[in-house]
Amino acid sequence: GENVEQHPSTLSVQEGDSAVIKCTYSDSASNYFPWYKQELGKGPQLIIDIRSNVGEKKDQRIAVTLNKTAKHFSLHITETQPEDSAVYFCAAAIDYKLSFGAGTTVTVRA
Amino acid sequence: SAVISQKPSRDICQRGTSLTIQCQVDSQVTMMFWYRQQPGQSLTLIATANQGSEATYESGFVIDKFPISRPNLTFSTLTVSNMSPEDSSIYLCSVGDGGGELFFGEGSRLTVL
Repeated sequence: GENVEQHPSTLSVQEGDSAVIKCTYSDSASNYFPWYKQELGKGPQLIIDIRSNVGEKKDQRIAVTLNKTAKHFSLHITETQPEDSAVYFCAAAIDYKLSFGAGTTVTVRA
Repeated sequence: SAVISQKPSRDICQRGTSLTIQCQVDSQVTMMFWYRQQPGQSLTLIATANQGSEATYESGFVIDKFPISRPNLTFSTLTVSNMSPEDSSIYLCSVGDGGGELFFGEGSRLTVL
């Protein structure tokens, strides 16, 4: 089955700085790569996604890149704010079945 | 995006009992899935809830332990049977709309004593 690795497991950044989370996947059949933000006590919230026919996608302060050849994709958050503090999960999907990374706990220091 | 409601939001149960979790969506969706998130861990797919037919289970999950129903395109239930403390987790319903995006409910937090 699909195996998704996510790094780093924890990330502490100063408010206003950028945060980068990286993921790799194993199955070249994966064709959908969403990112979720999970706050304490809540369900995962879809923040951005990218499909296998696209290399980069941006939505305001959030961007995602995909390198199909290398089987890796990354989340970039610019101008971080305290409300960006949460656990972030990457995922890779085959037929919409998601395999998740282990998660990254992001802390934004004021 | 679809609005997903899960009930109960949390529960405390005794060992050996069963609990049924409900997932209600405010619009018809093509895909419904159930995930488990063990304490402090990532999410793992339990099964795909198929409308009008038996669910499709992932490796390590069986129908006798996690029976699933999906009578229509807006509703599904997951039962956790004969619970043990190891079943203490967050159980999450996920739905896919026509655009191919996948959304999650707030989860049902289960503690088994």
